Amino acid sequence: ETGVTQTPRHLVMGMTNKKSLKCEQHLGHNAMYWYKQSAKKPLELMFVYSLEERVENNSVPSRFSPECPNSSHLFLHLHTLQPEDSALYLCASSLRILADTQYFGPGTRLTVL
Amino acid sequence: AQTVTQSQPEMSVQEAETVTLSCTYDTSESDYYLFWYKQPPSRQMILVIRQEAYKQQNATENRFSVNFQKAAKSFSLKISDSQLGDAAMYFCAYRRLYNNDMRFGAGTRLTVKP
Repeated sequence: ETGVTQTPRHLVMGMTNKKSLKCEQHLGHNAMYWYKQSAKKPLELMFVYSLEERVENNSVPSRFSPECPNSSHLFLHLHTLQPEDSALYLCASSLRILADTQYFGPGTRLTVL
Repeated sequence: AQTVTQSQPEMSVQEAETVTLSCTYDTSESDYYLFWYKQPPSRQMILVIRQEAYKQQNATENRFSVNFQKAAKSFSLKISDSQLGDAAMYFCAYRRLYNNDMRFGAGTRLTVKP
């Protein structure tokens, strides 16, 4: 169904935990993105990577730490999160940076207790 | 700042009928992209249709078509011959031509009645 996969699909963590979200794209794309989808707000772009270099960081708190070891993998490391960080975290990729179409993964539903 | 407004939180349509989802946006740019994405209950966000602002012709993809009114900053999605599988959240999105930041609307939940 998709060239972009995300694991885990569901994650429950306490505020003192450290966890990581993983995204993998099988489309040969060079750009990858993290989005946050909260219940009451539109999708928000968090980070953009192009060829493993971070090109955009939209004022995201430092408790979210992205990592892009290669053009196929993207991680979001989480530590000392707050309950308001509970949301659906979506990964996306595109052929290149500024390409017109992004392809999304299924998301990770994160709950912070 | 560019904003995208979807004024219909929920819509419903009878199977085989036609439905139109509304979207308006705010921008001072002349060149940009517009998108409709579909997010079924499985949560996979899927691109439905895209439109380049410099193209006057409305985009069409099978049963999906748009009515792009650039002057009015309106970008509605028409779904013809609605099917049960069309039930989903539909998001309108805007992106400037040379910018990574895709702006999404709040979404419209479409229900298809058999």
